[in-house]
Amino acid sequence: NAGVTQTPKFQVLKTGQSMTLQCAQDMNHEYMSWYRQDPGMGLRLIHYSVGAGITDQGEVPNGYNVSRSTTEDFPLRLLSAAPSQTSVYFCASSPPPPGKFYEQYFGPGTRLTVT
Amino acid sequence: GQQLNQSPQSMFIQEGEDVSMNCTSSSIFNTWLWYKQDPGEGPVLLIALYKAGELTSNGRLTAQFGITRKDSFLNISASIPSDVGIYFCAGQLTRGGADGLTFGKGTHLIIQP
Repeated sequence: NAGVTQTPKFQVLKTGQSMTLQCAQDMNHEYMSWYRQDPGMGLRLIHYSVGAGITDQGEVPNGYNVSRSTTEDFPLRLLSAAPSQTSVYFCASSPPPPGKFYEQYFGPGTRLTVT
Repeated sequence: GQQLNQSPQSMFIQEGEDVSMNCTSSSIFNTWLWYKQDPGEGPVLLIALYKAGELTSNGRLTAQFGITRKDSFLNISASIPSDVGIYFCAGQLTRGGADGLTFGKGTHLIIQP
């Protein structure tokens, strides 16, 4: 049981490039989320999903797209990277109700630098 | 969006001391959680609180869900070197929803030798 895994661990992009951050979980969790963490800040929610085929926007969704074709995977796409997207990105998952869906389990993060 | 005010921002303590940190909000939260983050890692859940007034312990950690539902505190007793890290409070606004957590900005705990 690997929990929540994220790839890559580190990434450097040039402004305007696109890329996909991968997230997978093997706990059969329905709920998955993406957060970004900037220096001196807490984590801010980008997008979340309550199950395959269902996604919704969080607090800071601009510049990011998501899709959820399977329960296990929840990729985050940057369509045209900007320096303001330099951050550490965390994926999280949690079981659906009546499970403790608010107890989110986080992956190790992807450190992204956009030059 | 919603904000959680977490204090202090950082703490410099001696090994063996007790630690106390808290989180306040202008909004009512249905669930409070406390996470710890080590350098280069994702946050790890320490304690989850589900009811106003609830007091919960996890080893040397104790956390309480404020009666007003607008605050929570975390205490660490007899600190040890591995307690070093950033502690985040987080709140869940909607019961039955999955619209993510609202996080505080963190308390950076530093233990002086």
